[in-house]
Amino acid sequence: SQQGEEDPQALSIQEGENATMNCSYKTSINNLQWYRQNSGRGLVHLILIRSNEREKHSGRLRVTLDTSKKSSSLLITASRAADTASYFCATCTYNQGGKLIFGQGTELSVKP
Amino acid sequence: EPEVTQTPSHQVTQMGQEVILRCVPISNHLYFYWYRQILGQKVEFLVSFYNNEISEKSEIFDDQFSVERPDGSNFTLKIRSTKLEDSAMYFCASGHDTQYFGPGTRLTVL
Repeated sequence: SQQGEEDPQALSIQEGENATMNCSYKTSINNLQWYRQNSGRGLVHLILIRSNEREKHSGRLRVTLDTSKKSSSLLITASRAADTASYFCATCTYNQGGKLIFGQGTELSVKP
Repeated sequence: EPEVTQTPSHQVTQMGQEVILRCVPISNHLYFYWYRQILGQKVEFLVSFYNNEISEKSEIFDDQFSVERPDGSNFTLKIRSTKLEDSAMYFCASGHDTQYFGPGTRLTVL
């Protein structure tokens, strides 16, 4: 079964606007993490939210987690052209060796 | 700031050849992972490693794959007989909870 599915698949906005990406998953988790990937590059960890947390902030990032709906959202406020990248959610369950299960990602394009 | 490093950045090999991808995890981390990403697809888990043994592996991680921590710093992924479908970006990661990823090795199998 799929885990960590994001929507939209692609998002194009103007600089200064907010970008919201959503992630849904199917099984119980211990935490959910968001990563960013610039084209052809490595994955950069953005933020981790634990299953007992509902909201977390880090700079211009705001993440929410609704375990009853098995969903999470990532909000990037006041976006910049440099935010252009692919964003992935990944779920972690400790009794599965701590592996991360990634979604397909949202490709964000921020136009100057 | 400590980071995960990987070598080589790009490896080209012939089908059927063995390749070894190398990683140096962050020094005080105890949990290590390999993931792969086929071009245009999502990142897939291969294997997790803790206390000198595999703690979890995926269906992808068949007998052609092996991992090793030969010394106190390196963590390697070996593919014994590469196939065309092994062409992908391979990422090493370390850490528990937050996993820190290396820049990846692009493997091209011809």
